[in-house]
Amino acid sequence: DTAVSQTPKYLVTQMGNDKSIKCEQNLGHDTMYWYKQDSKKFLKIMFSYNNKELIINETVPNRFSPKSPDKAHLNLHINSLELGDSAVYFCASSPNPWDRLNEQFFGPGTRLTVL
Amino acid sequence: RKEVEQDPGPFNVPEGATVAFNCTYSNSASQSFFWYRQDCRKEPKLLMSVYSSGNEDGRFTAQLNRASQYISLLIRDSKLSDSATYLCVVAVGGSQGNLIFGKGTKLSVKP
Repeated sequence: DTAVSQTPKYLVTQMGNDKSIKCEQNLGHDTMYWYKQDSKKFLKIMFSYNNKELIINETVPNRFSPKSPDKAHLNLHINSLELGDSAVYFCASSPNPWDRLNEQFFGPGTRLTVL
Repeated sequence: RKEVEQDPGPFNVPEGATVAFNCTYSNSASQSFFWYRQDCRKEPKLLMSVYSSGNEDGRFTAQLNRASQYISLLIRDSKLSDSATYLCVVAVGGSQGNLIFGKGTKLSVKP
């Protein structure tokens, strides 16, 4: 059983398009995250939701909009895609963000290529 | 200064070797420390948390020096399956699950 799943796994699209990436976790966790890993392999947090509420919103263009319909799902919508958005996007979840030894569980990633 | 800095490697070692990775962090308010492992084209996975007193898990030993803001990972008797990128990760104190990742150190274990 997949703990954190993402769809699609690969996404190739043209500049200017709008696309969405979906994430679901079946671990019963309260908190979910979106990370971006660029071509230099640098993994950086974008957003975090706890029980459907936004708790972390790093400096990300407002073309990126997360949506959490329930605590098991966190989707990422990207408007007007740009070349620089090409990266691997990882979803993650954790039980409780305020637990200092909190482990985060990552999904398999979505490899986005903008042409 | 980057928030979490690591030697990117690659470290190319023979099977059975002992290898050590180092990491420094800039935020003295950091409260929690971890090593994650990321295989090629895969997601990061927690390898071990790092405790102030140092901790060991089989062939892996992690150390933390808060005064120097320095974290280390030692792998003994390295196996081919240890080949991966090792990410040093720091949780900023008081922040809700905000993990800061280093760029990772790539390890390649050869037969």
